[in-house]
Amino acid sequence: AIQMTQSPSSLSASVGDRVTVTCRASQGIGNDLGWYQQKPGKAPKLLIYAASTLQSGVPSRFSGSGSGTDFTLTISSLQPEDFATYYCLEDYNYPLTFGGGTKVEIK
Amino acid sequence: EVQLVESGGGLVQPGGSLRLSCATSGFTFSDHHMDWVRQAPGKGLEWIGRTKDKLRGHRTEYGASVKGRFTISRDDSEKSVFLQLNSLQTEDTAVYFCARVGRSSETHQDALDIWGQGTMVTVSS
Repeated sequence: AIQMTQSPSSLSASVGDRVTVTCRASQGIGNDLGWYQQKPGKAPKLLIYAASTLQSGVPSRFSGSGSGTDFTLTISSLQPEDFATYYCLEDYNYPLTFGGGTKVEIK
Repeated sequence: EVQLVESGGGLVQPGGSLRLSCATSGFTFSDHHMDWVRQAPGKGLEWIGRTKDKLRGHRTEYGASVKGRFTISRDDSEKSVFLQLNSLQTEDTAVYFCARVGRSSETHQDALDIWGQGTMVTVSS
């Protein structure tokens, strides 16, 4: 199975900061990667698919990049509602694999 | 409105079984793969498995940790997907989510675009 290494596991940031989360795949996965946001007690929410395509309704401050093995989720200007945990998910082959998550906390 | 609603969670003893259901509405169910994902308390997300759409014969795929113990099925007439959990262990304690797999008409790639609220399964004696 493909391993997804997500970093950092947590970070502290202030409103307005630029935040970057990375995922590295143990083998090339093309652009078969999505990013999900999860708030406490809630279901995950799709933010980005195909590595860089913004899901409908998601604010444009979220962006994704990368292909092959290295991927990045960027929040250009962190807003109060963005404090959450973020996960990447590869869907290149079965079984699908999530990254370990990145918790974005208020500094 | 597209909606997924899980049910069937609860407390079960180690070695026991449970059947989870996910009722859906608001979309053409038979056209979509459906996934199950779980989250142990305080932990990250784990992909459990998938039942594929009608076109792909409802074939299933599973994660390594549940293969042989869990079974995913679906009933297109009821617009529902099911997860049969057998030989449950304490480490199976988690919130179980069902999720729709949406396919982009632009990129032709899949993503888990709609999620249910989850149902809690507790395995304990």
